[in-house]
Amino acid sequence: GAVVSQHPSWVICKSGTSVKIECRSLDFQATTMFWYRQFPKQSLMLMATSNEGSKATYEQGVEKDKFLINHASLTLSTLTVTSAHPEDSSFYICSASSRTSNYGYTFGSGTRLTVV
Amino acid sequence: QQQVKQSPQSLIVQKGGISIINCAYENTAFDYFPWYQQFPGKGPALLIAIRPDVSEKKEGRFTISFNKSAKQFSLHIMDSQPGDSATYFCAASIGDTSGSRLTFGEGTQLTVNP
Repeated sequence: GAVVSQHPSWVICKSGTSVKIECRSLDFQATTMFWYRQFPKQSLMLMATSNEGSKATYEQGVEKDKFLINHASLTLSTLTVTSAHPEDSSFYICSASSRTSNYGYTFGSGTRLTVV
Repeated sequence: QQQVKQSPQSLIVQKGGISIINCAYENTAFDYFPWYQQFPGKGPALLIAIRPDVSEKKEGRFTISFNKSAKQFSLHIMDSQPGDSATYFCAASIGDTSGSRLTFGEGTQLTVNP
């Protein structure tokens, strides 16, 4: 089956620093990557959608200069939280889909970001 | 138009019982309806999915019932086990390989008591 590897699983960073989260599709080509944010006991909130080789499309209210998304290859997408602040602390999850497979949407295991 | 409404918010079931979670959608263009299971600190994992050309799909203890005219679908977990205790999300999208976004329900916290 399809596997999406997300790293790190957790990270603690100081306020004002940047953090990069990676998602890799291990056995399929991820033509589209989705990045979600999830607060405790809440549903997944879509932050942005990126197609390989194209700029990401951000959801309303999501600062594109703060949450930098790169999807330079069919197997790797990264989310960089720039100048992180405590309010950015959350659970970030990536999801990949492919036009060339029948795997639907495959989710990464998530990254718990804590900004202190 | 893009909303998916899920109920109940939380559910407590005894071991061996049936867990039922319901979802309703508005956008008639949706044609892919998956259910995800999420454990604390983990990403969602696909449990079972259905397309509108069938009214029911069963995989092991998990069954999706789909009512196209009512724009509703539900998840039934038969013989519920403590290991099923997790958060369940329904979702909907237009296609599943086109890169279109998933619209999620609010989630149901299921607790199965031993």
